[in-house]
Amino acid sequence: GDSVTQMEGPVTLSEEAFLTINCTYTATGYPSLFWYVQYPGEGLQLLLKATKADDKGSNKGFEATYRKETTSFHLEKGSVQVSDSAVYFCALSDPWSGDNYGQNFVFGPGTRLSVLP
Amino acid sequence: NAGVTQTPKFQVLKTGQSMTLQCAQDMNHEYMSWYRQDPGMGLRLIHYSVGAGITDQGEVPNGYNVSRSTTEDFPLRLLSAAPSQTSVYFCASTRTGGGTQYFGPGTRLLVL
Repeated sequence: GDSVTQMEGPVTLSEEAFLTINCTYTATGYPSLFWYVQYPGEGLQLLLKATKADDKGSNKGFEATYRKETTSFHLEKGSVQVSDSAVYFCALSDPWSGDNYGQNFVFGPGTRLSVLP
Repeated sequence: NAGVTQTPKFQVLKTGQSMTLQCAQDMNHEYMSWYRQDPGMGLRLIHYSVGAGITDQGEVPNGYNVSRSTTEDFPLRLLSAAPSQTSVYFCASTRTGGGTQYFGPGTRLLVL
């Protein structure tokens, strides 16, 4: 079945450092890929997404590029802030999986990021 | 437009008690789902529904029941709570055909 693997962390960085959180996936067909963010005590919010190969999703200074050749969707940010401290989830939905036309999501385990001032 | 709402925010139960976690959305989404979030496990799908009157099991359905009588509401029932059901529960919805999932704020459940 489909799966998502991501570095679990925790990741601790100083403010203004460069961030990379790796995410790789296994899927039957051509999934859409997502990054969600969860701030303390809150639900998950969509951070960015990409629906086809070579698409780049971007939001709030975060970027991720859909790489079909390496089955990856790594999250990057050039200069992190204390307010970026959260848990980040990589996820996919795969309309080819036979699993209800891709409306079921598969999530990675999440990566906890702590940014120190 | 409230999005996805969940009640209660926090609940303590004793083993064997029953309760219903409420979830509602006002986006007219056909697809709704329930997840549980446990440390180191990410999110695991409990049950989902593709529309009123239609529900199906996810990855970890045991101990939970659902029903979908309206498009808006998708309650999750624990018939006889167990300590293993201590978790944070999230409800989510998506429009028909897939796309972004929208999450509620979560219900934190402690079973003693």
